[in-house]
Amino acid sequence: QKEVEQDPGPLSVPEGAIVSLNCTYSNSAFQYFMWYRQYSRKGPELLMYTYSSGNKEDGRFTAQVDKSSKYISLFIRDSQPSDSATYLCAMTLPPSAGKSTFGDGTTLTVKP
Amino acid sequence: DVKVTQSSRYLVKRTGEKVFLECVQDMDHENMFWYRQDPGLGLRLIYFSYDVKMKEKGDIPEGYSVSREKKERFSLILESASTNQTSMYLCASSLWAPGETQYFGPGTRLLVL
Repeated sequence: QKEVEQDPGPLSVPEGAIVSLNCTYSNSAFQYFMWYRQYSRKGPELLMYTYSSGNKEDGRFTAQVDKSSKYISLFIRDSQPSDSATYLCAMTLPPSAGKSTFGDGTTLTVKP
Repeated sequence: DVKVTQSSRYLVKRTGEKVFLECVQDMDHENMFWYRQDPGLGLRLIYFSYDVKMKEKGDIPEGYSVSREKKERFSLILESASTNQTSMYLCASSLWAPGETQYFGPGTRLLVL
């Protein structure tokens, strides 16, 4: 079993929809949680970063961490065609100092 | 802005060739990483380095080696390329600190014929 499991997708939604992307993990010691966005034929880029449990909002994006359930989510409100990409969750153990464990990614398509 | 560059965007090589992939970062990051990304398999860590001349194996090091002679440069070497090494190769760098995020290069698409 992988340490980080991500909903595989692909996911296709109409423009304006609310999107929910999810990951579960097995190691309760993970403390840093990230979401990366990867456009086709590009490298991943950091989208959201949270430490421990709670919510973090940045514009149309909200990252949610529930450590008790070992579950993290990324919500996208008012989704746009430009949000079409692969989304990767990632998490880090405190001593790992920059080395993360990644989910396999969920590919999202937002249709105009 | 952190910039991570990779020497080639696309490469075509023959089976048995020795292949060098180079990565350079310009933000004085201690950590550097090499991943391969395949459909359905996600990002898999090949090797990482936390300092010059230091390296550690990742999840799939077989068939690969690395070199880090300077802090800003991390090379991935395929000693004898095989068709199952056809993949997207991604380099990343980060600071050596808890919770630091990784910055990725644009990737190299390698096709081994």
